[in-house]
Amino acid sequence: GEDVEQSLFLSVREGDSSVINCTYTDSSSTYLYWYKQEPGAGLQLLTYIFSNMDMKQDQRLTVLLNKKDKHLSLRIADTQTGDSAIYFCAERTGTASKLTFGTGTRLQVTL
Amino acid sequence: GAGVSQTPSNKVTEKGKYVELRCDPISGHTALYWYRQSLGQGPEFLIYFQGTGAADDSGLPNDRFFAVRPEGSVSTLKIQRTERGDSAVYLCASSPEGGGILTGELFFGEGSRLTVL
Repeated sequence: GEDVEQSLFLSVREGDSSVINCTYTDSSSTYLYWYKQEPGAGLQLLTYIFSNMDMKQDQRLTVLLNKKDKHLSLRIADTQTGDSAIYFCAERTGTASKLTFGTGTRLQVTL
Repeated sequence: GAGVSQTPSNKVTEKGKYVELRCDPISGHTALYWYRQSLGQGPEFLIYFQGTGAADDSGLPNDRFFAVRPEGSVSTLKIQRTERGDSAVYLCASSPEGGGILTGELFFGEGSRLTVL
């Protein structure tokens, strides 16, 4: 079955790097995603990675995928207060239309 | 508007009542999704429409939940005989045909918060 797990909370200081981790159970996942949810706003796609890749970089964001351990991480360089939000990883399996989301990690950025 | 619009933003109802939640997707998006997000949890899939038809309704929890999209644009999620456990934020998302579906990018609305007393 599909199950996606994340730690609940992460606190970092402004300017430091943040690393948010995610584990999933379905080895047939085709795409994995990171979504951001700010208070009072809808979820917004930050980045995604195809399962045949092990790394993807997009400006301050770096996604690492370890398929063997079914582990996904999101690194945010030079974290800013505007990065404070809840971050969800999600997986998509095969041609299924639905995404399975994790429970979300609340990132708190302190001055 | 440019984004996915959901109404109402907040709905308080009593146990046993009937509720309708509306979603207006981004113009031209053929795929529409409903998710439910309980407090402290990630979104859970309910149903997916491709055009007017429900392509996957495997996430609907029971037969009290039903959704329609009669003209392939606006969708309504209908909940009969509401229960306290139905309290959650109901999220709607849309995506364009082709690239959006292949990459899985969903464009979410801000959600309708349902509270069942």
